[in-house]
Amino acid sequence: AQSVAQPEDQVNVAEGNPLTVKCTYSVSGNPYLFWYVQYPNRGLQFLLKYITGDNLVKGSYGFEAEFNKSQTSFHLKKPSALVSDSALYFCAVRDIAGDSNYQLIWGAGTKLIIKP
Amino acid sequence: EAQVTQNPRYLITVTGKKLTVTCSQNMNHEYMSWYRQDPGLGLRQIYYSMNVEVTDKGDVPEGYKVSRKEKRNFPLILESPSPNQTSLYFCASGRTQQALEKLFFGSGTQLSVL
Repeated sequence: AQSVAQPEDQVNVAEGNPLTVKCTYSVSGNPYLFWYVQYPNRGLQFLLKYITGDNLVKGSYGFEAEFNKSQTSFHLKKPSALVSDSALYFCAVRDIAGDSNYQLIWGAGTKLIIKP
Repeated sequence: EAQVTQNPRYLITVTGKKLTVTCSQNMNHEYMSWYRQDPGLGLRQIYYSMNVEVTDKGDVPEGYKVSRKEKRNFPLILESPSPNQTSLYFCASGRTQQALEKLFFGSGTQLSVL
């Protein structure tokens, strides 16, 4: 069955340190992968996507994500965290195989807390 | 400004009292969708629409109705709300249904059913 896992409910990082938010997926075909961010009392905002090509994808606000096919992972990273990065982060995969109808499969979300 | 507008932001109601949450987008998007967000469960899709007059069930459609009479509007209707429908609801739109497209989200509607 298609699924997305974000193994950490919460990640705590000190400001200025690198951060990683983990995501693994399981789909039957080739995945299209997305990261979205949700700031308090706001809707989700698109951060970045992986379709094909370079395994390292750069997105908004200095974030990047690394696609690893062998580990079926798409971890979100940032070299130096800011307090303003504190938010809820969602990984999503779009399965383009079979009868999936291109719908997104969402992870449960990871709360990122950056401490000054 | 390109946006998805949901109303109301907050709604408290009682069991069985019909309600409608409105959603409108000004980007001429073909695709629209409703999600509910519950702690620990992430986003679950309720209904989606690939274009005017075309709607399909998502993962959790029970107890909800939608309509897509115009391209810009996609209201969510709860005919007889129950407490288990207490949740945070999001409307989203995308240029097309196609795999490459990112979604634009509204600011959410926090619904409490007493």
